[in-house]
Amino acid sequence: EVQLVESGGGLVQPGGSLRLSCEASGFTFSSYSMNWVRQAPGKGLEWVSYISSTSSTIYYADSVKGRFTISRDNAKSSLYLQMNSLRAEDTAVYYCARSRAFDIWGQGTMVTVSS
Amino acid sequence: EIVLTQSPGTLSLSPGERATLSCRASQSVSSSSLAWYQQKPGQAPRLLIYGASSRATGIPDRFSGSGSGTDFTLTISRLEPEDFAVYYCQQYGSSHTFGQGTKLEIK
Repeated sequence: EVQLVESGGGLVQPGGSLRLSCEASGFTFSSYSMNWVRQAPGKGLEWVSYISSTSSTIYYADSVKGRFTISRDNAKSSLYLQMNSLRAEDTAVYYCARSRAFDIWGQGTMVTVSS
Repeated sequence: EIVLTQSPGTLSLSPGERATLSCRASQSVSSSSLAWYQQKPGQAPRLLIYGASSRATGIPDRFSGSGSGTDFTLTISRLEPEDFAVYYCQQYGSSHTFGQGTKLEIK
């Protein structure tokens, strides 16, 4: 079964850091670009970051540029999002999603930034 | 940045009716790199349409997408009870952006 499973969410204070992981199974992870997408409570979807299959191309939304870092380990079929200098407005469910048109999504992991 | 505007914000229809959802881009979307997603409460989004008009795997043929350039449409030919949800369009030709969503509710 093709699957993405996120982990690493939780409660963090403003200014803190968190690292999200997304483990892929059921497909050749190294052949696909990957993305992070977030959804604040009761709000719409916001694309966060993109990484190509070989990590040669990386993009970020302006709202997270300079604070978040996307990376991947193809040997471990895993995608990561290092989030630093977290703000209240980063509170959201974070999803990983496969490919340019997001054909496979994980179930999401909740990140809450609050004191 | 390409801004996507979806209309209407909320659409109230009955099962069996036809739904037409609109997505307008602030500039031309390259190579028809336009997708549609369905999201139900508490669930991750699901890809319905990519490349403006290609149905994703396992998507019923009552869902269809059309359009090019700056104007795109998602049509659900005959609404089933399970189709009532929030729908998002997304462009992936120039970075990635989502529309704000259309809520399809039961009338």
